[in-house]
Amino acid sequence: AQTVTQSQPEMSVQEAETVTLSCTYDTSENNYYLFWYKQPPSRQMILVIRQEAYKQQNATENRFSVNFQKAAKSFSLKISDSQLGDTAMYFCAFMSPQGAQKLVFGQGTRLTINP
Amino acid sequence: DVKVTQSSRYLVKRTGEKVFLECVQDMDHENMFWYRQDPGLGLRLIYFSYDVKMKEKGDIPEGYSVSREKKERFSLILESASTNQTSMYLCASSFHGISGAYNEQFFGPGTRLTVL
Repeated sequence: AQTVTQSQPEMSVQEAETVTLSCTYDTSENNYYLFWYKQPPSRQMILVIRQEAYKQQNATENRFSVNFQKAAKSFSLKISDSQLGDTAMYFCAFMSPQGAQKLVFGQGTRLTINP
Repeated sequence: DVKVTQSSRYLVKRTGEKVFLECVQDMDHENMFWYRQDPGLGLRLIYFSYDVKMKEKGDIPEGYSVSREKKERFSLILESASTNQTSMYLCASSFHGISGAYNEQFFGPGTRLTVL
């Protein structure tokens, strides 16, 4: 069974700083997807970024980028030029493309951006 | 826009009550999921369904059941609510699609259930 671990329960940075959230996972599969989800106080889960394991290039979405290290089973999220609206819970998640495509989530990191 | 709705944002029930949490999606998705979210544990899968009247257990099905009589609606049932079922419940849906291809899961706004 796959597991996802986020070792940082809480993080706090100043507005405009860069912050990196860590995530490690365990799987025996070779092909899979990794995600970062954002859950703001409104509770609506928002997909931030997606990485396909077969792609060596790290995914990027505007200020959000990942550092995907397949051999190390590491998948960190970097937020550049952080904004107050980035304050949220962030979840790392794993998905196998086979079957029902269930998501396996990490424990979450509560990120606070201070003015 | 894809829309996944849940019947209540907040719900308070008594121990022993039968509780129904409803989820409806409007995108003709085959797959529907129920997750439970707890602090320090993230989201954990309770049950999922990949077709009408089909269901499969997730990681923590004990104390729950589900019903999917129509494609757009997936209900989570707590037969006899207990205090340890106080939690946030999130519903999600996705296309089933081609095996191996990615299909995004879309989430509802969540129901915060308190069992007294």
